Amino acid sequence: GAGVSQSPSNKVTEKGKDVELRCDPISGHTALYWYRQSLGQGLEFLIYFQGNSAPDKSGLPSDRFSAERTGGSVSTLTIQRTQQEDSAVYLCASTSSREQFFGPGTRLTVL
Amino acid sequence: QKEVEQDPGPLSVPEGAIVSLNCTYSNSAFQYFMWYRQYSRKGPELLMYTYSSGNKEDGRFTAQVDKSSKYISLFIRDSQPSDSATYLCAFPLSGYSTLTFGKGTMLLVSP
Repeated sequence: GAGVSQSPSNKVTEKGKDVELRCDPISGHTALYWYRQSLGQGLEFLIYFQGNSAPDKSGLPSDRFSAERTGGSVSTLTIQRTQQEDSAVYLCASTSSREQFFGPGTRLTVL
Repeated sequence: QKEVEQDPGPLSVPEGAIVSLNCTYSNSAFQYFMWYRQYSRKGPELLMYTYSSGNKEDGRFTAQVDKSSKYISLFIRDSQPSDSATYLCAFPLSGYSTLTFGKGTMLLVSP
């Protein structure tokens, strides 16, 4: 079956603009995660959705970052007023067990 | 002390070599131990998963855990150029929890 998909694959934006990143998880997976991967920092947890529970937002680096998951499926990560330090690969993962299945990521470049 | 330490490499070896990749961790609450493999421009994929101390073998790959030393290893026998990737250790606290990753070790296997 289809894996986790993310769009766009690449996004170049100017400092101060808002961006939206989309994640389509594997059908039926109840848990969805967003991570950020940047040079020198590795993979960092951002936010976690589990079923209908309130999301775990403890990894969001600032209030410029937000995410929602509609209908228990598709998720959108929004970064407002982007900064150059937001440049990274944003990875989404979904799971119905211990194994998290990752999408290919969105490479964000903030000029 | 960082929660997870992993040498970023790169580690360069000739085809056929035995490769040893390692991580140390400080959080005694970690009970599960994972190794993910990440090819360039792709999302990580689960390679090995283990719960207990000792060895777990899967083909050319062996995962080793020493809980008393808080040290985990991944051994690759008869390494192949197709093994060239970044290897990340990952630690969930429980089944559905977010993952704490090492920064990853880049492995290059030359023909």
